[in-house]
Amino acid sequence: NAGVTQTPKFRILKIGQSMTLQCTQDMNHNYMYWYRQDPGMGLKLIYYSVGAGITDKGEVPNGYNVSRSTTEDFPLRLELAAPSQTSVYFCASSYSQDRGLSTEAFFGQGTRLTVV
Amino acid sequence: QKEVEQDPGPLSVPEGAIVSLNCTYSNSAFQYFMWYRQYSRKGPELLMYTYSSGNKEDGRFTAQVDKSSKYISLFIRDSQPSDSATYLCAMTDSWGKLQFGAGTQVVVTP
Repeated sequence: NAGVTQTPKFRILKIGQSMTLQCTQDMNHNYMYWYRQDPGMGLKLIYYSVGAGITDKGEVPNGYNVSRSTTEDFPLRLELAAPSQTSVYFCASSYSQDRGLSTEAFFGQGTRLTVV
Repeated sequence: QKEVEQDPGPLSVPEGAIVSLNCTYSNSAFQYFMWYRQYSRKGPELLMYTYSSGNKEDGRFTAQVDKSSKYISLFIRDSQPSDSATYLCAMTDSWGKLQFGAGTQVVVTP
């Protein structure tokens, strides 16, 4: 079982470039999340999705976009990279039968992004 | 004001001591409370979860939730060097939003 898979693991971007961070899960989870974690800090929610076709903003959505066309995939798009987006990005997924009462969230290994 | 507040530490304790961690929150909509553990350069992993106010035990770990005070705690008994990690509280609201605290770095010294 692969769980949550993120690609790439590392990336260096130049200011103004764009990229997509890929996230896929094979557990048939309905909820998926994107977080960023700055050094020595906790996880800040960027976007989340409670099912295919449904996405919503978290704490820090500016500069990012997401889509959820399938249950398995939840890509995160950076349109115009800025140094402030240098961070470690984590994708996670969980299952919920009752809205909001989700069980354990499983995390990917993270993507280390540097914007120079 | 952040919705979830957690002291980032670091918290250094000798082996065998009790580790006490806590978080406060401001959003009454949070219903489901969790503690995650994160080792360096890894993704977080779930330690414990609880829905209602009160205590929940799992081995050396005890989670407490006080919804009236909007306060949650995690206690680690007989701490071991392998418990050295960052501990993050997390909570969800009825819309499925999963929010984390800043994380507390714990160092257990032999």
